[in-house]
Amino acid sequence: TQLLEQSPQFLSIQEGENLTVYCNSSSVFSSLQWYRQEPGEGPVLLVTVVTGGEVKKLKRLTFQFGDARKDSSLHITAAQPGDTGLYLCAGGGGYSGNTPLVFGKGTRLSVIA
Amino acid sequence: EAQVTQNPRYLITVTGKKLTVTCSQNMNHEYMSWYRQDPGLGLRQIYYSMNVEVTDKGDVPEGYKVSRKEKRNFPLILESPSPNQTSLYFCASSLGGGATQYFGPGTRLTVL
Repeated sequence: TQLLEQSPQFLSIQEGENLTVYCNSSSVFSSLQWYRQEPGEGPVLLVTVVTGGEVKKLKRLTFQFGDARKDSSLHITAAQPGDTGLYLCAGGGGYSGNTPLVFGKGTRLSVIA
Repeated sequence: EAQVTQNPRYLITVTGKKLTVTCSQNMNHEYMSWYRQDPGLGLRQIYYSMNVEVTDKGDVPEGYKVSRKEKRNFPLILESPSPNQTSLYFCASSLGGGATQYFGPGTRLTVL
């Protein structure tokens, strides 16, 4: 069974601080997706990384896929209260495949103004 | 607007009273899933469907049924709900199992 471990589970920081969230597995994934979920809503995709070593940036968010495609990280620079939410990573077996995604349990981020 | 809709959004019911949560998507996706989300346990897949009339069990299928008679709809049925099915439920659709999941807004179910 493939598992994705996310750390930390909870994170509370002041506005303006930097943070990194980790997503680790002993399994290799063809792709790694990051979602953000806000209270009262479903998760929404932030980014998908598919190549080992790939780095993608989305404004103040930087996503990296490990060289061996077993782990990923999300780094937020100068966090803002609007970044508050639950961040989920999900490992996939391939874009066209029907193997269900494997979700991590999430990192709950609170950014205090 | 591309979206996944779920109804109802909130439901309080009693043990043993059959209920159905509806899910509909307008993106012509073949793949649809149901998840439940519980504190400390994360998102767990209940059932998924790769196409019309094709459904399969996810990680936690006990106590649930689904059907896929039309491409756009994927209802979740609880024949005899129990308190351990109190949870937040999400429907999702996508182009495939490993593709981007488009989630509905969630249904918060409480079984007394």
